[in-house]
Amino acid sequence: AQSVTQLDSQVPVFEEAPVELRCNYSSSVSVYLFWYVQYPNQGLQLLLKYLSGSTLVKGINGFEAEFNKSQTSFHLRKPSVHISDTAEYFCAVSDRGLMGGGTSYGKLTFGQGTILTVHP
Amino acid sequence: NAGVTQTPKFRILKIGQSMTLQCTQDMNHNYMYWYRQDPGMGLKLIYYSVGAGITDKGEVPNGYNVSRSTTEDFPLRLELAAPSQTSVYFCASGAFGAAGTFGAGSRLTVL
Repeated sequence: AQSVTQLDSQVPVFEEAPVELRCNYSSSVSVYLFWYVQYPNQGLQLLLKYLSGSTLVKGINGFEAEFNKSQTSFHLRKPSVHISDTAEYFCAVSDRGLMGGGTSYGKLTFGQGTILTVHP
Repeated sequence: NAGVTQTPKFRILKIGQSMTLQCTQDMNHNYMYWYRQDPGMGLKLIYYSVGAGITDKGEVPNGYNVSRSTTEDFPLRLELAAPSQTSVYFCASGAFGAAGTFGAGSRLTVL
């Protein structure tokens, strides 16, 4: 089984400032890692995902995340935020299925969410 | 390309009533999922399916049922609705090992 902890429930920042949203995970098997964004009254949209290869993953809207296996972290970063980035962000994991020693079939375990508020 | 379509978007039920949330995907994905979202709790997996005719329980299946007669459709049935089932429900689909595409959500209130 996996678990995900998003270390900040709310992150307020000013426009054009950098931001980091923190995510730690726990798993007994190898995992895939994801970040989603949810704008008010909308569904979830995939920002980026780590499946294998380079530990620095670039996503949409200028976001990037770095997979750190030793620290079991997958923090999301953006060098300069915009008002339009105001939303709730979710970190999620799934195990790697039969190839990785698990049997998740793509099932996701989500963190509790971080509300990013960008102020002018 | 519609992706994942959920209906209805909003519904109010009385305690003890039953209803079905519909979910359809047009991406020919084998894997489909139902999650519920509660404030401050993230999303929890209710049921999932790995193909037509195959379903299994997720983390919070009590009070719900699903069926998967076709690749495209994965309805979620609520029997004897309870206030604890007030939530936002999301359907998702995906290929093996992928995160999936999410629908826009169905907001259910049980009074």
